[in-house]
Amino acid sequence: AQSVTQLDSQVPVFEEAPVELRCNYSSSVSVYLFWYVQYPNQGLQLLLKYLSGSTLVKGINGFEAEFNKSQTSFHLRKPSVHISDTAEYFCAVISASGGSYIPTFGRGTSLIVHP
Amino acid sequence: GAVVSQHPSWVICKSGTSVKIECRSLDFQATTMFWYRQFPKQSLMLMATSNEGSKATYEQGVEKDKFLINHASLTLSTLTVTSAHPEDSSFYICSARDLAGGLNNEQFFGPGTRLTVL
Repeated sequence: AQSVTQLDSQVPVFEEAPVELRCNYSSSVSVYLFWYVQYPNQGLQLLLKYLSGSTLVKGINGFEAEFNKSQTSFHLRKPSVHISDTAEYFCAVISASGGSYIPTFGRGTSLIVHP
Repeated sequence: GAVVSQHPSWVICKSGTSVKIECRSLDFQATTMFWYRQFPKQSLMLMATSNEGSKATYEQGVEKDKFLINHASLTLSTLTVTSAHPEDSSFYICSARDLAGGLNNEQFFGPGTRLTVL
């Protein structure tokens, strides 16, 4: 079984500052990794995903994440945040074996962007 | 990307009544739909996996007689909360996966339904 740990429950940051949201996972097999964003009272929207290939993945809204296998991490970054980036961010992992492709989600990190 | 809708977006009901939530894939066919429950400030908890034309597979600890799931067509799955109680109040989110399945066919999430049981 796999698990996901999002180390920060809340990350406050000022507008135009860089931000990093941390995600670590544990799994006995290879995994695929995802970041989702959830705006208030809405469902989840896929930001980016790592399936294979380049470990640096670029997503929507200027976000990117880097897969680090040795550190079992998939941290999300943005060089300059906007007020509109205020939302809940979820990291998710899918086991490469089994074939069910059901994600396990982290507890989420609340990004709060201040003017 | 593909669109998944949920109806209603918000529902308030009295304790003891039943509530039905619909999940539709609007522009693709979904053999598999998932139902999640999300408590405030917490992650999504998978409740059940719904496959078109067959019985849903419930996660451990989820009462299948309380949370009835029907996936009658490739574009519609319903979740019925039977005899709802205040502790069932939550945000329910569905997701749908494209017909071809596989990892490259991502899950698309609905906007969620907020259930408040008085």
